[in-house]
Amino acid sequence: EAGVAQSPRYKIIEKRQSVAFWCNPISGHATLYWYQQILGQGPKLLIQFQNNGVVDDSQLPKDRFSAERLKGVDSTLKIQPAKLEDSAVYLCASSLIPLAGTDTQYFGPGTRLTVL
Amino acid sequence: AQSVTQLDSQVPVFEEAPVELRCNYSSSVSVYLFWYVQYPNQGLQLLLKYLSGSTLVKGINGFEAEFNKSQTSFHLRKPSVHISDTAEYFCAVSDRNAGNMLTFGGGTRLMVKP
Repeated sequence: EAGVAQSPRYKIIEKRQSVAFWCNPISGHATLYWYQQILGQGPKLLIQFQNNGVVDDSQLPKDRFSAERLKGVDSTLKIQPAKLEDSAVYLCASSLIPLAGTDTQYFGPGTRLTVL
Repeated sequence: AQSVTQLDSQVPVFEEAPVELRCNYSSSVSVYLFWYVQYPNQGLQLLLKYLSGSTLVKGINGFEAEFNKSQTSFHLRKPSVHISDTAEYFCAVSDRNAGNMLTFGGGTRLMVKP
């Protein structure tokens, strides 16, 4: 079974530029998550989708971050414009059973973003 | 709101020695508890999870954890570690009433020395 795929793996941009990350979840997984992991910290949930609808985006900085999951499969996370403090690893995860707190989340390898 | 505290940011240990990584959580409601491991340049992988029932949970790679409701703890243990266990370990909690949203602790770096 293929895992969660993310691209690119690494990205370096200058502040005020824009950037986009892509995630392909495990086939059949209804729920998709984007996390931000700042160096030395645990992952922080940015947004959760169930199919193509947003379940929770309370921690997403909506003035600069946006995310979509068209057709309930792939997802993109965009930052525009980027700030220095956005430097982090962006992790995508997926799970099979919608909104089941018992369900395991499967994580991709992440995209490491460096903002100069 | 819930929070997770991992009391040790780094734990150095010699190979074949036992190890315990500590995790405490705070929540006003019943929770599910998880331990994830992150190897360098990789995503997180589930080690084990506590949902209900027996408070001692066994996971992959010889790890186990014990849920202690009175002390709101979920410490991770392994009786004998290997060099390959060197990684970052994250404790996480999800609120039983809040879908599948995980709150993670800050992580503990386990460093196994030969």
